[in-house]
Amino acid sequence: EVQLVQSGAEVKKPGESLKISCKASGYSFTTYWIGWVRQMPGKGLEWMGIIYSGDSDTRYSPSFQGQVTISADKSISTAYLQWSSLKASDTAMYYCARYSSSVMPFDYWGQGTLVTVSS
Amino acid sequence: SYVLTQPPSVSVAPGKTARITCGGNNIGIKSVHWYQQKPGQAPVLVIYYDSDRPSGIPERFSGSNSGNTATLTISRVEAGDEADYYCQVWDSSSDHVVFGGGTKLTVL
Repeated sequence: EVQLVQSGAEVKKPGESLKISCKASGYSFTTYWIGWVRQMPGKGLEWMGIIYSGDSDTRYSPSFQGQVTISADKSISTAYLQWSSLKASDTAMYYCARYSSSVMPFDYWGQGTLVTVSS
Repeated sequence: SYVLTQPPSVSVAPGKTARITCGGNNIGIKSVHWYQQKPGQAPVLVIYYDSDRPSGIPERFSGSNSGNTATLTISRVEAGDEADYYCQVWDSSSDHVVFGGGTKLTVL
């Protein structure tokens, strides 16, 4: 059974760093992409970027380029999303999702990680 | 960049047919995917490649795509279909994933 299990909710202060995770199981991690999607409170889905753990090829949405870093550790089938300096506007739910190639859909999703940034 | 436009809301009575549109320039030549998101839950894929249904998705869900509009159709709408629906494509010109703004389906 394909599963994406994300790390738990986080409460951080502005300026702090954060790394959240998405652990995959039930399929070959290195033959699929993992994407990250932001959902701000009461708002829609926003694509942040994707990573192919087979060769660490990473693509970012222009809206998030330079704001976050996407990485993966194929030895433990885990993808990451990290911030070096959080802002209050980073408060959102973050989802990871499996993606096989450009025209394919996100077919499996993690349960989401709620990040709250507040002083 | 490529833009997908969805109506913010659609309302339908139980048992009737709901149609949710997704507009984009020449979207008919792209593969469109649709996701359902219920409150407090992660999105779920309900239609992929314009009109294919993943296993476990009721036949009441169908899709079409032509010209500048893709459409998600939900027949014999039930109360449990009340959710937000998002369309999504891959924009080959920018190599980016694009989501529509989402449509809230209300079952009257």
